[in-house]
Amino acid sequence: KQEVTQIPAALSVPEGENLVLNCSFTDSAIYNLQWFRQDPGKGLTSLLLIQSSQREQTSGRLNASLDKSSGRSTLYIAASQPGDSATYLCAVINNNAGNMLTFGGGTRLMVKP
Amino acid sequence: DGGITQSPKYLFRKEGQNVTLSCEQNLNHDAMYWYRQDPGQGLRLIYYSQIVNDFQKGDIAEGYSVSREKKESFPLTVTSAQKNPTAFYLCASSIAGATHRPQHFGDGTRLSIL
Repeated sequence: KQEVTQIPAALSVPEGENLVLNCSFTDSAIYNLQWFRQDPGKGLTSLLLIQSSQREQTSGRLNASLDKSSGRSTLYIAASQPGDSATYLCAVINNNAGNMLTFGGGTRLMVKP
Repeated sequence: DGGITQSPKYLFRKEGQNVTLSCEQNLNHDAMYWYRQDPGQGLRLIYYSQIVNDFQKGDIAEGYSVSREKKESFPLTVTSAQKNPTAFYLCASSIAGATHRPQHFGDGTRLSIL
């Protein structure tokens, strides 16, 4: 059964710092990997989706990479801002799972002004 | 604007009571999903539906039931058999089979026990 792990569980950084969030998964037979943002008490907003044939995706200050063979993904946030404070979740869709997402536990990010 | 609407935002359940959470989408998506989120944790799949009048159990379906009579609607009932229902419930939808497209999420319903 697929298991997704995110490290660290919580992170606090000063404004302007570049940072990396990590995601690992145990079963490399995935269709895609997605990174989501969740603000307190809210739903999830999709940030980046990397298909299994891709190595990375970029959107503004965000860059996500995927190494399927080693079961790892990273989310790089450049020049962090207080508005980036949120919980970041990664999730994968397995090839035999009918589009269902398996989520990691999330990384709670605090960017201090 | 297209999106997913969950209601109510907050819900309280008495012992032995069944409660129903609403999820409506106007994105014309075939697939819909219900997830449960416990404090400080990721999401776990309760039920999903790929097409009207069909649905499948997810990882934690015990104590829950769903129906899919319309494409736009996928209500979740939390039954009295669910002994620990306090959680944040999220509904999502997607284009069936389109793994290159992300799932869209509602803003969630927070369920608590009275």
